[in-house]
Amino acid sequence: DQQVKQNSPSLSVQEGRISILNCDYTNSMFDYFLWYKKYPAEGPTFLISISSIKDKNEDGRFTVFLNKSAKHLSLHIVPSQPGDSAVYFCAAAGGGGGNKLTFGTGTQLKVEL
Amino acid sequence: DAGITQSPRHKVTETGTPVTLRCHQTENHRYMYWYRQDPGHGLRLIHYSYGVKDTDKGEVSDGYSVSRSKTEDFLLTLESATSSQTSVYFCAIGTPDPSGYNEQFFGPGTRLTVL
Repeated sequence: DQQVKQNSPSLSVQEGRISILNCDYTNSMFDYFLWYKKYPAEGPTFLISISSIKDKNEDGRFTVFLNKSAKHLSLHIVPSQPGDSAVYFCAAAGGGGGNKLTFGTGTQLKVEL
Repeated sequence: DAGITQSPRHKVTETGTPVTLRCHQTENHRYMYWYRQDPGHGLRLIHYSYGVKDTDKGEVSDGYSVSRSKTEDFLLTLESATSSQTSVYFCAIGTPDPSGYNEQFFGPGTRLTVL
C-alpha cells in the first residue's frame, strides 16, 4: 500500500520555465512533508519541508504548497535550471515517533536547454 | 556535508553469506536510520535508532538486524543474504526538534549485490 504517491515518473521542462512536481498521500496522520533531490550515485539531499499548519513554504527558487483537504503537495521550481535535473522524492512523517519518513517513488526531472 | 559516511560503498556477495554495512556520523545526531532504495518503491525504512542500544523496526525489517553501541556508529546486518536484498542502502541521521520533526541527512549509499 503506497501511502505517498508520485504519479509522474518523469517530467521534462525547458530552462527558465517553471517545474511543478506533484505528490499525493493517503495517510491522514501525516503532518510533516519534505522534498529531497537525488543525483545518480549520491544520497538524497534535503530541499524544503512544510508542516501541516502551513500551506506554503518558500526557499529561494523552491516553493512547496500543501493542500491538506486534497492530501496533495507540490514543489515548484522557478526558474528551472539544467542543474535541477535529478530525481525528486517527496516524503511524509507523522502518526508515530521517530520522525520516520515514508517516501514516494520519485519523479525524474529533466531540464532542457 | 552532514558528516556521514557509509562503508563499504559497493559490495558483491553470495546468497547465504552474512553482510554488515556500517554507517558513521560525526554530527552527534541522536537518530540514525537505514533505508533501502529499489525501483518502483522509492526509499523504504528498514530500521532506525533513537539512541545508543535503542532501536526499532521500520517498514521492511524482515531479514535485517541492527546495532548501535556508540552514538556515531549504526550497523546493518543481513544474517543470511538473499537476492531480494540486492539494493542500494542509505543511512540517514537527524535530530527531531521539539515538534518531533526534522529533515534527515543522508549518506552516499552502499550498493549491495547478492548473487
